[in-house]
Amino acid sequence: DGGITQSPKYLFRKEGQNVTLSCEQNLNHDAMYWYRQDPGQGLRLIYYSQIVNDFQKGDIAEGYSVSREKKESFPLTVTSAQKNPTAFYLCASIGRSSYNEQFFGPGTRLTVL
Amino acid sequence: KQEVTQIPAALSVPEGENLVLNCSFTDSAIYNLQWFRQDPGKGLTSLLLIQSSQREQTSGRLNASLDKSSGRSTLYIAASQPGDSATYLCAVDTGFQKLVFGTGTRLLVSP
Repeated sequence: DGGITQSPKYLFRKEGQNVTLSCEQNLNHDAMYWYRQDPGQGLRLIYYSQIVNDFQKGDIAEGYSVSREKKESFPLTVTSAQKNPTAFYLCASIGRSSYNEQFFGPGTRLTVL
Repeated sequence: KQEVTQIPAALSVPEGENLVLNCSFTDSAIYNLQWFRQDPGKGLTSLLLIQSSQREQTSGRLNASLDKSSGRSTLYIAASQPGDSATYLCAVDTGFQKLVFGTGTRLLVSP
């Protein structure tokens, strides 16, 4: 089955720790995205990557970092510099043949203890 | 800066009713508009995508319309069912496939 996987589903972090959220897709999509969702709010774009080895900041990139070494993978690191990291994180991708329709993974819920 | 608003924030209807969800955006220079469904604690499922040159799209009991000039889109759900209960999000592509999302409409369909 083609799709987007995110792991882990739930993640707990102590203050001051960096954590990395995984996002993998086997859809052969070029572009990948990370969003953050807070209760009662829409999704906000953190980072995006349109090709391997290239990525751009979104609207709320401070305190986050990404890499895109492989087409299939786009991991997100939440650093200790992110002051309010507790949120639901969603990864998405777009393929050239999908008329810019974005497909989403199941999400990772991060909680800072 | 593009802003997307969805009204109402929450909606409760009895099963079988037809309903309309509204989405408005401030900048008409969009590439497309996409409607998503989100179940609690889950990711987003794409329902319909309307290109900027299109006026509407249909899938089963769902019909989405787009009026770019007025900055509005509606999602029409016919003959609602309890399984339609979810949060519905609209998002506009502002370029480079970057989406700006509304805050969603939480729908509850009662049996």
